[in-house]
Parts: sequence; structure tokens; C-alpha cells
Amino acid sequence: QSALTQIASVSGSPGQSITISCTGTSSDVGGYNFVSWYKQHPGKAPKLMISEVNKRPSGISNRFSASKSGNTASLTISGLQAEDEADYYCCSYAGRRLVFGGGTKLTVL
Amino acid sequence: EVELEESGGALVEPGGSLRLSCVGSGLVFSQAWLSWVRQAPGKGLEWVGRIQPNTEGGTTDVAAPVKGRFTISRDDSKSTMYLQMNSLTVEDTAVYYCATYGSGSFFDWGQGTLVTVSS
Repeated sequence: QSALTQIASVSGSPGQSITISCTGTSSDVGGYNFVSWYKQHPGKAPKLMISEVNKRPSGISNRFSASKSGNTASLTISGLQAEDEADYYCCSYAGRRLVFGGGTKLTVL
Repeated sequence: EVELEESGGALVEPGGSLRLSCVGSGLVFSQAWLSWVRQAPGKGLEWVGRIQPNTEGGTTDVAAPVKGRFTISRDDSKSTMYLQMNSLTVEDTAVYYCATYGSGSFFDWGQGTLVTVSS
């Protein structure tokens, strides 16, 4: 069971925008509109940021947006803030199983 | 507000067994799809398995690395989900989270419980 592919780290300055990609296959990301994104601070539980490709749960800032094209999903964070610094994980439904990406560490410079 | 609380994590020897519990509040527990996700030290998230509501059949699915060793169950009268872990190996060392699940997403998470497999 291969994990989805995410870049290991990304950085940006306050106010900038960054995009994290998540690449899978036609058996997971490309096959279902069930991609989700999570934010995790060290030592804390993950937090749902995006569900079903591009839906923001209540309380999530509209600075977070997401999309999918083919086998690749993307999370964009605009107007970077210091509080956005964290690890970000994508996840996809893959037919009676779920698969996560390896995670991307976002550093706000 | 949905709250989930895991318990049962411990230090266990390779080959041993352990049962984790996840108690939920603030939700209609009997109607909830629930899942376990783990995170090895310094590593990423890994889906362990999920369980449907009993009203929808109570079917469970587990990830390939734990199939045949881990079993998920629930007791709605106690608002509790369980993860029975047998034949533990060092690779099972992780923080285990329970979460509510739906449409491919994990909505609410517990704080996690640490399982350490070591001799």
C-alpha cells in the first residue's frame, strides 16, 4: 500500500501563497472525490482542513482552498500566517481503505 | 461539541496483545462511522481501520499491515469503540488516534494514546 506522494517540505513568507500537491493513482485520488487535508502541530492531533476535495469545514479560514486534477490533489494556503506553520497531510479514499500522503512540513519564514 | 478520548496505550513486548478504547461524547455514537489512525514516532499518519454503525451492518475494514492481527469493534451502550491488537511487532509502535469518519474524511479526533512495542 503506497502512500500518496507529497513534497517533504515547503516554505513561504507571511502574506505569500503556497501550494502543496498530493499525487496518487487512478485507484485513489483519481478515482474518487474523497480527498481530504489535515493540519498537525507537533505533539497534537490532526485537524481536518478540507474534505471531499474542496469543502471547508465550519470554522476553517477561506485562506485554505483545494482542488483536484486527475491523480493529483492540491492544497493552497493564501496570505500565509505564522500560525499556518505545521505538517500537512492529504488523504484519499481508495475503495474500502484510506491512504495518507507522507506529509509536508510548512515553514513560515 | 464532539469529544473522543482514547485509552489503553502501554508498553508491551513483541508478540503481545493490547486493547485500546475510544469513548465518544457529544454525538449520536450509535450512528457514527468511526476509525483508527496511527502515527509512528517521527512519521506520518497511517490509516488502521474503520467500523460502520451497527444499523448499517457494523462492517469493519482494516489496513493490510494489520489484517488478521487487529480487530475493531464497538459497544454503543458504552459509547465506546475498541481496537484489539494481537501479535504486536515493533512496527506497531505508534500513537493511536480514534476519529469520526465520513465521506473519506476524519472529522473529529481524540488526543491519542501511545503504544510502545519493545522487549
